[in-house]
Amino acid sequence: DGGITQSPKYLFRKEGQNVTLSCEQNLNHDAMYWYRQDPGQGLRLIYYSQIVNDFQKGDIAEGYSVSREKKESFPLTVTSAQKNPTAFYLCASSGAGHYEQYFGPGTRLTVT
Amino acid sequence: EDQVTQSPEALRLQEGESSSLNCSYTVSGLRGLFWYRQDPGKGPEFLFTLYSAGEEKEKERLKATLTKKESFLHITAPKPEDSATYLCAVPPGNYGGSQGNLIFGKGTKLSVKP
Repeated sequence: DGGITQSPKYLFRKEGQNVTLSCEQNLNHDAMYWYRQDPGQGLRLIYYSQIVNDFQKGDIAEGYSVSREKKESFPLTVTSAQKNPTAFYLCASSGAGHYEQYFGPGTRLTVT
Repeated sequence: EDQVTQSPEALRLQEGESSSLNCSYTVSGLRGLFWYRQDPGKGPEFLFTLYSAGEEKEKERLKATLTKKESFLHITAPKPEDSATYLCAVPPGNYGGSQGNLIFGKGTKLSVKP
């Protein structure tokens, strides 16, 4: 059953700690994306990767980092430099030559 | 500047009361318009892709249409289970963004009361 998995569903951290969110896909998609969703703000692009070992900053990359060592995996690290990290994080992927993106179930991160 | 605007922000309907959601866009060289459904606390679920003006797609009680400036998501005789936030998105225009990225509207939150 093809799809995108994100783990964990809920994550709690103390301020000042780095945290890594997992995203895995078995759709054989080349491109993967990370979005942040806040109430009333819509989806905002954090980072994206069109191919393994390459990634680009999105609109709100400050305080985040990513890696793309495998086609199936695109983990996102929320660093202590991110000023307001509490949010709902969504991972997505798309196939080569296709614009439609398919989303994972999301991870809700709460930092206190 | 490429932009996607959805209206209304929120829509309350009675069960069976048909209505439409609007997605207007300003991009140069449209390369597709996408509709998604998002339930609370979940990731968006892909619904439709529209590529050219005049195109229509249907799924159960939903029908999406596209003109040169906007798209409509028509909901016929909605049921409570249609309650969700509906998002539309387009790729950036010819002179902006990287291929594959999408510009999302802020969504319309639909509530259908029994």
